[in-house]
Amino acid sequence: GAVVSQHPSRVICKSGTSVKIECRSLDFQATTMFWYRQFPKKSLMLMATSNEGSKATYEQGVEKDKFLINHASLTLSTLTVTSAHPEDSSFYICSAPLGPTPEQYFGPGTRLTVT
Amino acid sequence: AQSVTQPDIHITVSEGASLELRCNYSYGATPYLFWYVQSPGQGLQLLLKYFSGDTLVQGIKGFEAEFKRSQSSFNLRKPSVHWSDAAEYFCAVARNNAGNMLTFGGGTRLMVKP
Repeated sequence: GAVVSQHPSRVICKSGTSVKIECRSLDFQATTMFWYRQFPKKSLMLMATSNEGSKATYEQGVEKDKFLINHASLTLSTLTVTSAHPEDSSFYICSAPLGPTPEQYFGPGTRLTVT
Repeated sequence: AQSVTQPDIHITVSEGASLELRCNYSYGATPYLFWYVQSPGQGLQLLLKYFSGDTLVQGIKGFEAEFKRSQSSFNLRKPSVHWSDAAEYFCAVARNNAGNMLTFGGGTRLMVKP
């Protein structure tokens, strides 16, 4: 089946620094990818829709200047957490649909810890 | 706006017992429905999906779910639970027919007693 990878799987950074998380579709092309955030023992919250070749669409309440999304190619989307703070610590998951159906394939997630 | 409710935050069952996880949705049109499973620290794995047709759908790992339009439900079932089924389960609805965005329920944590 379709595979989505994320890198890194875990990252620890100091407060005030920026962190980049990559999401790749390994054996298919994805013009759209989605970024979710998951707090401990909570559900997934959609942060933004990443669109290849155009600006990302952010959900209400998500700071676009803090969570920069770049969809540079049909197989890669990146999420950069800028000027990270401890409250940004979370589990970030990306997903990509295989074709026009609503079915999505999820990456394994990235655990971000900001100290 | 659509929403998904999983009424049970935690469920504990004995190994070998049957399981039913509840999911109710609120959506104005025909929904696309999904069940995902997540092990600790991992991403989500699709168990099964309903788009149209037969309202009883079979998934992986022996799971099945039944779409009941009259009850706005899509409950997940398994006749005999294995210890390896202990995980977090999420029900999700596709936001609309034109896009692929999912709305997730709050999740149900399944614990399995030996």
